[in-house]
Amino acid sequence: GAVVSQHPSWVICKSGTSVKIECRSLDFQATTMFWYRQFPKQSLMLMATSNEGSKATYEQGVEKDKFLINHASLTLSTLTVTSAHPEDSSFYICSALPRLPTSYEQYFGPGTRLTVT
Amino acid sequence: QKEVEQNSGPLSVPEGAIASLNCTYSDRGSQSFFWYRQYSGKSPELIMFIYSNGDKEDGRFTAQLNKASQYVSLLIRDSQPSDSATYLCAVNEGGYNKLIFGAGTRLAVHP
Repeated sequence: GAVVSQHPSWVICKSGTSVKIECRSLDFQATTMFWYRQFPKQSLMLMATSNEGSKATYEQGVEKDKFLINHASLTLSTLTVTSAHPEDSSFYICSALPRLPTSYEQYFGPGTRLTVT
Repeated sequence: QKEVEQNSGPLSVPEGAIASLNCTYSDRGSQSFFWYRQYSGKSPELIMFIYSNGDKEDGRFTAQLNKASQYVSLLIRDSQPSDSATYLCAVNEGGYNKLIFGAGTRLAVHP
């Protein structure tokens, strides 16, 4: 149980285009999902916290108009990277917190590798 | 600025030895502590979590927590080459759901 999927697993796009990444909790409901970014040889950096039915909370330094987050249901959150640039190339990972958590454990998706050319 | 500090390594241990990974954190309000393992190019996977002071054992893994010293560690007994990965310490921020991750310690287990 507690499986989180991400789609796509990797994507290559041209500079200036937008890319949407989906994060789904497959066998549980998640009121809260998190989006992280990880650059090579660095740790996970939290970008934003996504709550179902409300606006996402962005971490300091993350442009909310560039990284659009929508959490429309208890099993789906999306991250759209708008007007992507090469410096946005990174590994994007989502995680989900079950609606009725027994702990603060977050279940991670497999990640999406974005390359902007 | 709430921080989680880890030695970046690499920590190199021979197969069969005990690997000891350490982590300190700055937020005294933190209540939950997690160890994740991350293989290169993959997302993190949870090894174990701990809430209370003392030791918690799960198979070859033992987590140790000392809230007074703001210190959490992970011991891996009988280390195997397949344990070679980056180990991330994570702490929940002030009792909330948000996790703060350390930079990770790279472990290399050599035959």
